[in-house]
Amino acid sequence: KAGVTQTPRYLIKTRGQQVTLSCSPISGHRSVSWYQQTPGQGLQFLFEYFSETQRNKGNFPGRFSGRQFSNSRSEMNVSTLELGDSALYLCASSWDNYEQYFGPGTRLTVT
Amino acid sequence: DQQVKQNSPSLSVQEGRISILNCDYTNSMFDYFLWYKKYPAEGPTFLISISSIKDKNEDGRFTVFLNKSAKHLSLHIVPSQPGDSAVYFCAASMDSNYQLIWGAGTKLIIKP
Repeated sequence: KAGVTQTPRYLIKTRGQQVTLSCSPISGHRSVSWYQQTPGQGLQFLFEYFSETQRNKGNFPGRFSGRQFSNSRSEMNVSTLELGDSALYLCASSWDNYEQYFGPGTRLTVT
Repeated sequence: DQQVKQNSPSLSVQEGRISILNCDYTNSMFDYFLWYKKYPAEGPTFLISISSIKDKNEDGRFTVFLNKSAKHLSLHIVPSQPGDSAVYFCAASMDSNYQLIWGAGTKLIIKP
């Protein structure tokens, strides 16, 4: 069974630009969660989608948004990028339980 | 306000000895706890979990202990092996939804 895939793996953007990251969950998984990881901060929860609906949301500004498609694939978008948005963005899928399966992440650098 | 805390950023242990990673939480509503392991350039992978109705769960070399009165859990790895060198994250959740609250992680280094 293929794992969670995320594209692109690395991305360099400049301040003020916007970016879209993509996540393909494990086949059959309907829940997709997004996290931001920065050094010393652990994993900060962005949002979770289940069956195309945002089910949970973390404490991030409205510049961070996401969506989920009918095939469970998910995208997250960050508009008006700031230097502080530089981080590893992780996507995790689950069958709708506590055990989440993570992709390798997208390393975003904002210059 | 960090609801899940891993107060040790790093831990160094001799190969073959016991590794003990600690995690404290503040929210008494948490009733499910998980440990994940993360290697560089990879996403975290699930290791072991425990429900609040238990105080211990064992899986091979890994054992998680939960002390609800102290709001503390720990992960024991016995014996420690070089492949155990990684960052370990503790996560917690409430029964009402599956959202996980994560600690900042502890980097475990196993010395040969």
